[in-house]
Amino acid sequence: GAGVSQSPSNKVTEKGKDVELRCDPISGHTALYWYRQSLGQGLEFLIYFQGNSAPDKSGLPSDRFSAERTGGSVSTLTIQRTQQEDSAVYLCASSLQGPHSGNTIYFGEGSWLTVV
Amino acid sequence: GNSVTQMEGPVTLSEEAFLTINCTYTATGYPSLFWYVQYPGEGLQLLLKATKADDKGSNKGFEATYRKETTSFHLEKGSVQVSDSAVYFCAPNTGNQFYFGTGTSLTVIP
Repeated sequence: GAGVSQSPSNKVTEKGKDVELRCDPISGHTALYWYRQSLGQGLEFLIYFQGNSAPDKSGLPSDRFSAERTGGSVSTLTIQRTQQEDSAVYLCASSLQGPHSGNTIYFGEGSWLTVV
Repeated sequence: GNSVTQMEGPVTLSEEAFLTINCTYTATGYPSLFWYVQYPGEGLQLLLKATKADDKGSNKGFEATYRKETTSFHLEKGSVQVSDSAVYFCAPNTGNQFYFGTGTSLTVIP
C-alpha cells in the first residue's frame, strides 16, 4: 500500500482481555518495527523483524507481549491479559532495509489502546 | 549501550524566533542520524537525516549537522512558524534499532 496501515485505530478493552493489533507495512519493505508511546513519554522499542531472520524481541516488556510476521508482510502484535499500564499508542513502522543501512523508517498512524 | 539524550521541553517560542533543540547520542559504530516530527493528531514522519559525519540534513527550513566529535545532531531553524508546533524526536540508528529520544514539544505562538 501507499503507507503503513494499522488497525484498529482505537481499541478499548477490559483489563484481563487479550488484544491483537495489526500492521500492514509498505509493500516491498523488508524491515518492520513495533514501538509503544505512552502519554508524555518517548518511543519505546518493542520488536523488530528483518526479512526471514529471527526477530529482535529485546524490547518486549513481558511475556504477555508477542508478535509475529506472516509471509514477510503483515504483522500482528498480541497482548495477553491486558493491564492498565498497557494503555498506550502502539506504533508500527517499516523500512526498505534494516536501520544500519541508513534507510528511513515510515510510521503508521498508530493503534490507541485503552485498558479499563 | 546505545542511547540518545534530547533537550527536554516543552519549548514555547514566538513566531520568527530562532530554534535549537539539542540532541546527543551514544552509539557503537557510526549511526545514521534522524529527526522525526509528530504534528498534532498525526503520525511520526521524517523531518531530515544525515548518514555520515559532517553531513547536514535539511528540510522545511530546519537543519541539523552530524557532529561525530561531539556525538551531537542539534536541530535548528532560523525563524519558526506557528505551523512548526509539534513534537520533535531525535533518532540515531545503528544495529537493529532506531533509538528515539523522549521528544521535545514545541509550541509557536503568533
